[in-house]
Amino acid sequence: GAVVSQHPSRVICKSGTSVKIECRSLDFQATTMFWYRQFPKKSLMLMATSNEGSKATYEQGVEKDKFLINHASLTLSTLTVTSAHPEDSSFYICSARDPSGTDTQYFGPGTRLTVL
Amino acid sequence: LAKTTQPISMDSYEGQEVNITCSHNNIATNDYITWYQQFPSQGPRFIIQGYKTKVTNEVASLFIPADRKSSTLSLPRVSLSDTAVYYCLVGGYGGSQGNLIFGKGTKLSVKP
Repeated sequence: GAVVSQHPSRVICKSGTSVKIECRSLDFQATTMFWYRQFPKKSLMLMATSNEGSKATYEQGVEKDKFLINHASLTLSTLTVTSAHPEDSSFYICSARDPSGTDTQYFGPGTRLTVL
Repeated sequence: LAKTTQPISMDSYEGQEVNITCSHNNIATNDYITWYQQFPSQGPRFIIQGYKTKVTNEVASLFIPADRKSSTLSLPRVSLSDTAVYYCLVGGYGGSQGNLIFGKGTKLSVKP
């Protein structure tokens, strides 16, 4: 299957700082990428849809000014958690839709964010 | 978006065949059915996808009845390493699927 990478795999930061997470589709071009967060022992919750060349679409309850998404190229989307607080600590996972075939979504390995 | 229902958990023993059934009564005409496997602290991994009847690949089979209101993931001869959470999702082809909404998934525990 197609490969999606995320960087960094884990990050620890101080409260009030901003953290950027990168999501890359390595062997296909993705006009659409998605960002999820997952709390321990819970399912994935969709945060936003990232569209190349346009503004991201956020799910209800997700603050767009808090979670900045940029999809500047067909292989890269970034999520920036601004002014991070301990409650933002979570597992963040991105996915990319492969437009060939049946638009299957492939997921990255995830980023563990810990805010102290 | 079609909603899915799966058993919360299942237990099995090494070497057995495991079948996990998912209900998706409101599946739309252009929806595909996709199954993912997730290990702790990892992103979901694509297992198999189908539209109707039966699909088989090197790791699993997917059975979809004619009405497409359910699907069954079949894992042949499971091993301890198959212990994971399995998610069934439905979504449309052609860019109109919107987003994949995850349900609670099925936690499969394989015992020696």
